[in-house]
Amino acid sequence: TQLLEQSPQFLSIQEGENLTVYCNSSSVFSSLQWYRQEPGEGPVLLVTVVTGGEVKKLKRLTFQFGDARKDSSLHITAAQPGDTGLYLCAGRKFSGSARQLTFGSGTQLTVLP
Amino acid sequence: SQTIHQWPATLVQPVGSPLSLECTVEGTSNPNLYWYRQAAGRGLQLLFYSVGIGQISSEVPQNLSASRPQDRQFILSSKKLLLSDSGFYLCAWSGITNEKLFFGSGTQLSVL
Repeated sequence: TQLLEQSPQFLSIQEGENLTVYCNSSSVFSSLQWYRQEPGEGPVLLVTVVTGGEVKKLKRLTFQFGDARKDSSLHITAAQPGDTGLYLCAGRKFSGSARQLTFGSGTQLTVLP
Repeated sequence: SQTIHQWPATLVQPVGSPLSLECTVEGTSNPNLYWYRQAAGRGLQLLFYSVGIGQISSEVPQNLSASRPQDRQFILSSKKLLLSDSGFYLCAWSGITNEKLFFGSGTQLSVL
């Protein structure tokens, strides 16, 4: 059973377009993280959201944590080829170490020039 | 600054052969260490977790084992590889009070 569902699984868009990817669960998380992973590399943390309804911006990337802390979205404005990668969300159910992190299945984004 | 090194980057091994993947962390003391496995383009599955030397927690039953002989060294091993052991293996660390994970660059293992 996949605790965190990410959609879409694959997304291919043209440079300059906007997009949103989703991370959904029936479980409540104390915090949620988004990572980006490039081929042949490890994931790199982009952001952590901890408060229901929280919105964080990282340049052209906007992250939102759902009010009930069960879901999150990542919106990219004016996508660029450098945004290409696998986007992973990871939820933490209890306060403590990163051992409690559960990863979603990922969204593979391809931005075409 | 802290760095994490993982090697080798790629490995092709025959079924039944042994495995040893090594991970070392620099620039920090007493890190929490992790081994993950990732199917192609998919999410991460936690395999092992360690809070200190000689302390290993296994998250899923499998053909693999882990050891932590030194504070900043984490090793993933197998005595006899199976075809199903193929995958992308990632080592990661976090601080004791910090939930952020920092990943190594991974090892692509192909068992033939």
